[in-house]
This record gives sequence, structure tokens and C-alpha cells, in this order.
Amino acid sequence: AQKVTQAQTEISVVEKEDVTLDCVYETRDTTYYLFWYKQPPSGELVFLIRRNSFDEQNEISGRYSWNFQKSTSSFNFTITASQVVDSAVYFCAPSLTPTSGTYKYIFGTGTRLKVLA
Amino acid sequence: GAVVSQHPSWVICKSGTSVKIECRSLDFQATTMFWYRQFPKQSLMLMATSNEGSKATYEQGVEKDKFLINHASLTLSTLTVTSAHPEDSSFYICSARMTSGVNNEQFFGPGTRLTVL
Repeated sequence: AQKVTQAQTEISVVEKEDVTLDCVYETRDTTYYLFWYKQPPSGELVFLIRRNSFDEQNEISGRYSWNFQKSTSSFNFTITASQVVDSAVYFCAPSLTPTSGTYKYIFGTGTRLKVLA
Repeated sequence: GAVVSQHPSWVICKSGTSVKIECRSLDFQATTMFWYRQFPKQSLMLMATSNEGSKATYEQGVEKDKFLINHASLTLSTLTVTSAHPEDSSFYICSARMTSGVNNEQFFGPGTRLTVL
């Protein structure tokens, strides 16, 4: 079965600290895409990053970086120098193939990040 | 680009009435659209996958006769909650995938908050 685990339910950090959000997933797919989204209190999902499974080069984009390890099925997301505006719920969402049908996102349970001033 | 709208953004209705929510891709064509439901402090749960011109595919446990989905064009999908009850109160989010998309990315609408009295 496909499953996404975000073990950290809630994290609190002080502004300017770095924070890493963990994501581990299960899949039999050999190629797939991985996404991270942010959901602020307004409720609208905000796209953060996208990664494909056949490129394990880790990247940095501004204050965001990610570490993808296909061998361990992990896709961790790091915010550097966190800010209060980063406070939100963060979802990891691999796009995987179900038993039948089209590719679809499998959402993790989410990690609530609180950045304190 | 890749904007998805939802209407209405919030709705309050009486128990037993039906409510229709629209999801539109404003600047791209979407063969496939998805409907999610999110209860407070929970993750997004996929309800159904909607393909233009064909019947929707519902996830296990979702009543297709209660949640009617119509995807009559490449830019519009509708979700009708029939005979709504208080337990249907939730945040409903749609997403759309580009017909020409190459990385399975979904573009999300801002969500519709439904309250059934």
C-alpha cells in the first residue's frame, strides 16, 4: 500500500532557526514526482517544491532546500532562517500510481510549524 | 499561469439541501480534476478523480450518489453535495492537472468552506 509518513506532528522554533521537516513514503513506483505544499491559516495550498525521482541531486531555492534519498524513500524539506510568516501546516505529497487509474497525490498527515518571534 | 478558482469560497446551508461547488481552470485545459475534503486539523483526503467527458472515479468510502461530480468541459468540474447534513461540513478543495502536463503536478483551488446547519 502507498503511504506517506510525516512523523513530526508539530514543531515550534524560534525565528531565524533552521528547521527540517521529514517525509517518508512507501511506493513500488520506479519513477514519480514529489511535492511539498504549505497551507497557511487561510487554507489555500501554496506550492513549494517539486522533485522527480530520477534525479537525486539536492537543491536549494532561496531559504528552501530539500534532501531526497530514493534508497530510503525520504524527501525532507528544510527552511533556513525561519520567519514568523513560515508558520503553517506543511504537507509532503508524492504523486504515485494507484493499483488502477491515474497518478494521484498521496498526502502526508502534515506537520504544523510554529515560528515564534 | 496555472490558476484554479473555486466558487463559492464559503457557503452555509440548511440540512437536507443540496450545494454545488464549481472548480475552474482559468488559463489552462484540465482533462483531470480532483476533489478533496479536509476536516479541521487533518490532512487532505481525496474524494474522487474527475475526467472530462467521463464518469468520476470515487475513492473507497465516498458515496457517489451523495457527492455528484460533473466534468463537462476541459475547464470546469462541479461537485454537488446532495441532501447535506452537518457531518458534511468541511473544507472542500479541488485541483486540476494540465492536459499537457509532464510532471503530474496538480494546481489547487483556494477551497470552499461548507457549513451545514
